[in-house]
Amino acid sequence: GAGVSQSPSNKVTEKGKDVELRCDPISGHTALYWYRQRLGQGLEFLIYFQGNSAPDKSGLPSDRFSAERTGESVSTLTIQRTQQEDSAVYLCASSPRPYQETQYFGPGTRLLVL
Amino acid sequence: DAKTTQPTSMDCAEGRAANLPCNHSTISGNEYVYWYRQIHSQGPQYIIHGLKNNETNEMASLIITEDRKSSTLILPHATLRDTAVYYCIVRVAQSYNQGGKLIFGQGTELSVKP
Repeated sequence: GAGVSQSPSNKVTEKGKDVELRCDPISGHTALYWYRQRLGQGLEFLIYFQGNSAPDKSGLPSDRFSAERTGESVSTLTIQRTQQEDSAVYLCASSPRPYQETQYFGPGTRLLVL
Repeated sequence: DAKTTQPTSMDCAEGRAANLPCNHSTISGNEYVYWYRQIHSQGPQYIIHGLKNNETNEMASLIITEDRKSSTLILPHATLRDTAVYYCIVRVAQSYNQGGKLIFGQGTELSVKP
């Protein structure tokens, strides 16, 4: 079946502009996660959604970062007033249940802020 | 979640077993050991996980020491396609309220050579 998809695959933007990244989880997966991976680094957790519960935003690095999720489907990660240090690969993952061991990752969106 | 220590890089000859070590000396009794890998330019992929017993699946085997302070991921017959960064992650068993965020370290860069 279809895996996690993300769009765009690549995004180049100018410093100060807003960007919106999209994640389509696997159908039926209730849990959705956003991570960030800077060049040569491991993944950093950003935010977690589970059904209608309040999201876990503990990993968001600043108030310029926000995310939404519509029910148990699409999620968007928005970065306002982008900075050069926001350049990274943004990865989305989903899992069937919040206590499911396996997270299924998308291919990521490569963001470059000039 | 407990911290893990892995070698930065390892080489393995194609067709031979790849043994990737991980130290997690501060692991707690309710924490599992998970392994993910990330092939270049792709999202991470789940490999295997365990609590205290050795585990095996179609991808790999996981050997956890009796004191649970370290573990080894074994790829029995490494191929060139196994070249990737391998992440050892220690975390509590997920519960509905805890969610499922993964905390990634730097991982081990495994190079399988012909």
